Amino acid sequence: AQSVTQPDIHITVSEGASLELRCNYSYGATPYLFWYVQSPGQGLQLLLKYFSGDTLVQGIKGFEAEFKRSQSSFNLRKPSVHWSDAAEYFCAVGPYLSGAGSYQLTFGKGTKLSVIP
Amino acid sequence: DSGVTQTPKHLITATGQRVTLRCSPRSGDLSVYWYQQSLDQGLQFLIQYYNGEERAKGNILERFSAQQFPDLHSELNLSSLELGDSALYFCASSEGPAGETQYFGPGTRLLVL
Repeated sequence: AQSVTQPDIHITVSEGASLELRCNYSYGATPYLFWYVQSPGQGLQLLLKYFSGDTLVQGIKGFEAEFKRSQSSFNLRKPSVHWSDAAEYFCAVGPYLSGAGSYQLTFGKGTKLSVIP
Repeated sequence: DSGVTQTPKHLITATGQRVTLRCSPRSGDLSVYWYQQSLDQGLQFLIQYYNGEERAKGNILERFSAQQFPDLHSELNLSSLELGDSALYFCASSEGPAGETQYFGPGTRLLVL
């Protein structure tokens, strides 16, 4: 079965600093990988996804992620963090279930990002 | 605003009771997904419906059931509630059955006392 590990429960960065959130996955086949953000009191919003092709994926809000198969990682990065980026970030892996014809997402436990002005 | 609506926002009930959570997907979306987010288990996929039919099942307890109606709204029924069922329940929707881009609602927070 697939699994996702986000090693950092909580990260604090200063506004304007760079950010990297770590995500490691375990999955036997080609993974489909996602990053979601959850702002306080809100649902999850998709930041970006990787299915195949270029291993550097660009997303919304200036985020990018790099898929590294050799390290089973899909780390999320942003060159300059804004105060509005404070939220909880979830990495997910979603194998495509051919029987169901859909992706079944398995989420990590999340990383809470705090931003110091 | 994702366009997915969930009611109620909050629900407080007692053990042994039954509750119904409601979800309206984005206009045009045919798939609805239900997720449970708890402190100990994290965010877990429960079940997916596509155009009225059950499509995929995750870690959904037998005490829980769901359905999707002809107008595409969905309901998640939780019965014989236990303290451990206290969680945030999210609904998400996607246009097609694959769900590679899912739009999440704001969630229903359930507290079982």
